[in-house]
Amino acid sequence: SQKIEQNSEALNIQEGKTATLTCNYTNYSPAYLQWYRQDPGRGPVFLLLIRENEKEKRKERLKVTFDTTLKQSLFHITASQPADSATYLCALDPSGGSYIPTFGRGTSLIVHP
Amino acid sequence: DGGITQSPKYLFRKEGQNVTLSCEQNLNHDAMYWYRQDPGQGLRLIYYSQIVNDFQKGDIAEGYSVSREKKESFPLTVTSAQKNPTAFYLCASTGGQGISNQPQHFGDGTRLSIL
Repeated sequence: SQKIEQNSEALNIQEGKTATLTCNYTNYSPAYLQWYRQDPGRGPVFLLLIRENEKEKRKERLKVTFDTTLKQSLFHITASQPADSATYLCALDPSGGSYIPTFGRGTSLIVHP
Repeated sequence: DGGITQSPKYLFRKEGQNVTLSCEQNLNHDAMYWYRQDPGQGLRLIYYSQIVNDFQKGDIAEGYSVSREKKESFPLTVTSAQKNPTAFYLCASTGGQGISNQPQHFGDGTRLSIL
């Protein structure tokens, strides 16, 4: 069956460290993968998109990698701040060319001062 | 500022009652979506619409209905047939009739509870 797996346990890190979140998938061949941030009681906010032919994408303190062989995307936040505390969702297109992404459950990140 | 507005933020439903959740966007987006989010679960697609006067069922459409009479509006009705409606409901939109890889823009959700 098709699955998107994000770590259900919260990730706790100290301010200033790099946070790394993982998104693994099985039985998908996505053409792209997206990352969103969701704060409690709010809707998700789009952060980054990476295509299957891109290995890495950066935006300010954010970096996303996409390994289609490992079927994995890593999401990094460098120099993390308490304001980065939120739930981060990955989403991918369930079949090449589909326009409706399938979302993972998300991983909660808590950055301690 | 362009965006998606969902209302109300909190809604309570009595037994046997239908309730309607509002979703309005001023982004000039063609495609709109409704998702349901339960604790510890990913977003599940209820209905989507690529264009005015057309909509399609998602993965969990039973007990829900929608309409798309205007480009800006995509209301969701939770009917009495939906036996477990307590959840956080999210509306989203994308441009270009939902062309692949377009990011989704979300509203801030409606939390529905049973009285």
